This record gives sequence, C-alpha cells and structure tokens, in this order.
Amino acid sequence: GEKVEQHESTLSVREGDSAVINCTYTDTASSYFPWYKQEAGKSLHFVIDIRSNVDRKQSQRLIVLLDKKAKRFSLHITATQPEDSAIYFCAASISNTNKVVFGTGTRLQVLP
Amino acid sequence: EAGVTQSPRYAVLQEGQAVSFWCDPISGHDTLYWYQQPRDQGPQLLVYFRDEAVIDNSQLPSDRFSAVRPKGTNSTLKIQSAKQGDTATYLCASSPGLGANYAEQFFGPGTRLTVL
Repeated sequence: GEKVEQHESTLSVREGDSAVINCTYTDTASSYFPWYKQEAGKSLHFVIDIRSNVDRKQSQRLIVLLDKKAKRFSLHITATQPEDSAIYFCAASISNTNKVVFGTGTRLQVLP
Repeated sequence: EAGVTQSPRYAVLQEGQAVSFWCDPISGHDTLYWYQQPRDQGPQLLVYFRDEAVIDNSQLPSDRFSAVRPKGTNSTLKIQSAKQGDTATYLCASSPGLGANYAEQFFGPGTRLTVL
C-alpha cells in the first residue's frame, strides 16, 4: 500500500524566514495531497492541498509544490510567524478513494 | 456549523479492560474515519465507513477492536481487552465524500487513552 515519508522530524526557523517541509510517496496512483496542522494539545486541521493535475498551489503564505516524476511534494511557509509553530502532517490519497495515508509529522518551531 | 465531537476526552484503563469511544461527525458527511495516533507519530487509519458500510478495516486488529456506524451517522469504536500498546489518541474524522474537496477531513478533538 501507499507509504508517505516525511523527511524532517523537526525544523526551526527564525520569524520572518521561510520553512520548507518535504514528503515523498510511493504509489503512483496517488492524486491528492493534503497537509494538516496540529497545534499543541489540539487536533488536526486542514491547511492546504494539491491535486495531481497541477504542480503548484498557493494560499496566502502557504505554497505546495508537487513533483509527480520524483513522487515528492513539499510545503513552503513564507514569512513565518509564531503562530505557525505546530506539527505539520503531509498525506497522500489514491484517486477515487477517500483513504488518506499520513506522514509521521514535522514539528516546526518559529523562533523570535 | 458544529464540528466533529468525540467522547470521552480521556480514558485510563488497566490491561484487559474494555472501552468504547463515541463519535458524532459533521451533519451530512457520509464518510467517517477512525485513526490511532500514538504519541509523536502521525495518524494511522484503523477503519473508515461510507454511510453505514465499512470500506476498509484492514488495519483494525479484529481480535480486540470493533467499529460500527449502524445508521450512517454516529459511530462507536470499541476495544475489548486493552493492551499497553493501545495507549494512543484515537481520532475520529469525517468528510463530505462528494464534490471538489471530497477527501478533506475534519477531525474531532480525540480521545486520549492510557492503558496501565
């Protein structure tokens, strides 16, 4: 089955800098790639996604890039703010299913 | 719009005891998921339903875990004889199942289970 690997387990950046979190997946049938954020003591909530028909998507300070050939996708957070500090999970879903496989999470710390 | 609700929020058991977790998804969401999230790991799918039907329970330890969604709305996840390795947060999520964001999932607050 699908496996999603999240390469950075922790990441520290200075406030205002950019943060990049990288993920890879194994199943070429995956076509939907959401990202979720988990703040301390809270549950996950959706932040942004990308589908396989595009290779870039932006929502305000969040940019997702998808390289289907390399089976790699990444989340870029620009102009980081303290409230961006959280655990970020990447995930992949195979076309025509609702099943999502999550990565292991990246703990992002935005330092003042 | 009310979010996904779960109860209880916390449970502490001795090994061998049984426990049930309850989930109320967002109204109108036909797909419901149960995940196990061990400490410092990502959510791992246990089972998911579309309406009342089980779509995938391949990761559910069937000898001790069971899950039902009899009317296609609320759902219950039960552990018959808990083990220390079951210590984790159990997350319920729901998704609309149709439309452009068919796979976006909305998570409940979770039930944090500790098995002593």
